[in-house]
Amino acid sequence: AQSVTQLDSHVSVSEGTPVLLRCNYSSSYSPSLFWYVQHPNKGLQLLLKYTSAATLVKGINGFEAEFKKSETSFHLTKPSAHMSDAAEYFCVVSDLFNKFYFGSGTKLNVKP
Amino acid sequence: NAGVTQTPKFRILKIGQSMTLQCTQDMNHNYMYWYRQDPGMGLKLIYYSVGAGITDKGEVPNGYNVSRSTTEDFPLRLELAAPSQTSVYFCASSPGQYNSPLHFGNGTRLTVT
Repeated sequence: AQSVTQLDSHVSVSEGTPVLLRCNYSSSYSPSLFWYVQHPNKGLQLLLKYTSAATLVKGINGFEAEFKKSETSFHLTKPSAHMSDAAEYFCVVSDLFNKFYFGSGTKLNVKP
Repeated sequence: NAGVTQTPKFRILKIGQSMTLQCTQDMNHNYMYWYRQDPGMGLKLIYYSVGAGITDKGEVPNGYNVSRSTTEDFPLRLELAAPSQTSVYFCASSPGQYNSPLHFGNGTRLTVT
């Protein structure tokens, strides 16, 4: 069975400092992995997705994620946080039947 | 492209009332999903559909019903509203191919009092 664990429920960074949001997954086969962002009172927007073509995936708004099979991780990073990055972030894995499993979310707070 | 459209945006129900949350997509996606989002819990799958006429239960189907008579529409029905159904509901669709992401509507905020 597929599952996702987001290791931090809240992360707080200062503007201009790096962001790291951690995600571990469990999958019986080569996983489909995604990161979504949800700004307050908004819907969910796709940030990036993992394809087997490359382990480092670039997404929108300067975010990246690195797939590490040996660690079953898919952590999300950004070199320099911006105030507009304050949101909730979800790590998601899908199975062979196109069912999607969500982590519990990480709320990112960006301090001025 | 409108993408995935949900109506209404907000609704307040009294206990025991019924309502239908509407969802339509114009991307010709085969797969459609209903999720509910509760604080700190991520999104939980209520029902999903792999095509017109085919639906299946997700993780939390109790108290809900769905139908899929067309590719475009996937309404979610609450028959006897309960306070535990207070939540934000998201409809999503996907083409169903490997590595295809979910496309979300903007959500319906439902309060049952």
